Parts: sequence; C-alpha cells; structure tokens
Amino acid sequence: SQQGEEDPQALSIQEGENATMNCSYKTSINNLQWYRQNSGRGLVHLILIRSNEREKHSGRLRVTLDTSKKSSSLLITASRAADTASYFCATGVGAGSYQLTFGKGTKLSVIP
Amino acid sequence: SQTIHQWPATLVQPVGSPLSLECTVEGTSNPNLYWYRQAAGRGLQLLFYSVGIGQISSEVPQNLSASRPQDRQFILSSKKLLLSDSGFYLCAWNLGQVPQETQYFGPGTRLLVL
Repeated sequence: SQQGEEDPQALSIQEGENATMNCSYKTSINNLQWYRQNSGRGLVHLILIRSNEREKHSGRLRVTLDTSKKSSSLLITASRAADTASYFCATGVGAGSYQLTFGKGTKLSVIP
Repeated sequence: SQTIHQWPATLVQPVGSPLSLECTVEGTSNPNLYWYRQAAGRGLQLLFYSVGIGQISSEVPQNLSASRPQDRQFILSSKKLLLSDSGFYLCAWNLGQVPQETQYFGPGTRLLVL
C-alpha cells in the first residue's frame, strides 16, 4: 500500500494566491521530502525535513511535519505561473533502507 | 557541479524487443544510483538501486534487469519487452552512507511499448 498520499490530487489557484498541499503517511519515518515535477521532466528536490523537525522554510516554501498525526504540509506562498507542476512527497523509512516511497502527487495549476 | 544524463529521451519499441536505457552521472564519485518507473498519473516505483560497481539490488521482481559496469554508469535492460513496461523511467543519484537523503533525478526516458 502507498506510504505517502498527497491531498488534494489536483489544485487550481490564481497567481499570487497561496497553495497548500498535504501528505499523510502510515509508518514512522526518518525524513520526509518534497519534490516538484514539471510535465514530462525529472523530479527536482525542494526540501527535506527530518523526523525531529517541525517546520522548515526555503524561499517561498514552508514545510511542516506532524509526526503524531503522520502528516506534512507544503505551503507555496505568492504562487507564480511557473509553480505549475506536480508535487510529490517522499518518505524514507527503516534503518539502512535505500527506498524512498513516493506518493501519487498533487497537480498544481497556477492561473496567470 | 554534478549532472545526470539519461538517453534516449523517448523510445518506441515493439513487444518482445530488447531494451537498454543508460544513465550517467558527472562530477561526483561513488554515487548511489537508482532506477524508478512512473506510470501515467502515478508516483514513482523504485526498480533497482546500486551502491557500487557490480552491486545491484532489485526492489520489484519483473521483466527488467540493471547493471552498473562503471562507477557512474547505470543501465536498465530487458531481453523481451512487455506492454506493461511502458512508462517514464527515471534515474537518480545521491551520496553518502545514509541512503534516504536527497536524490537528484535525470530528465527521464519515456518508453512506449506497442
């Protein structure tokens, strides 16, 4: 079964608005990562938050992690048309495991 | 700086034909290397990973195999393609003994099996 599930599956907003995407997972994690994928392209790493961290910022991105609720959120502030992409959360679980488990993604459309 | 290359970018192959996709990384040494497959509208499925030359671990038993003949080269192969092998194949790398750190992805190869 899927470890990470993003919500919503699709999100459409106007340029300048904030976009919030959520990720829920099932088992304890070592870290949680967010990636962006433009259509037909490879994934680009956005931010990594460790299990002992609660919030992290990078430019217009803000990520929170609530390990008690097994959930994370990605906030993109003042969105731009160039933010249009799919956003995936990925979780690393288990000691020594090389596997990152990716969700199905949230497809974000920012309308100019 | 490090860069990762994948080729070809797009491939259309008949069922039953062989496959060879190549991935190379520049600007780093002894990377961990990964092959993923992404079906349309889905997340990524880890297929293989390698922590060194000749060392391959398979996450999902299937019609595919992987090889690492050189430190920064990772090859995905199949002897006979199935329709279900269609998808977007992504190669990724990272460094270090902690395998779940940030991964850096190539541009991908879109494979269509007809």
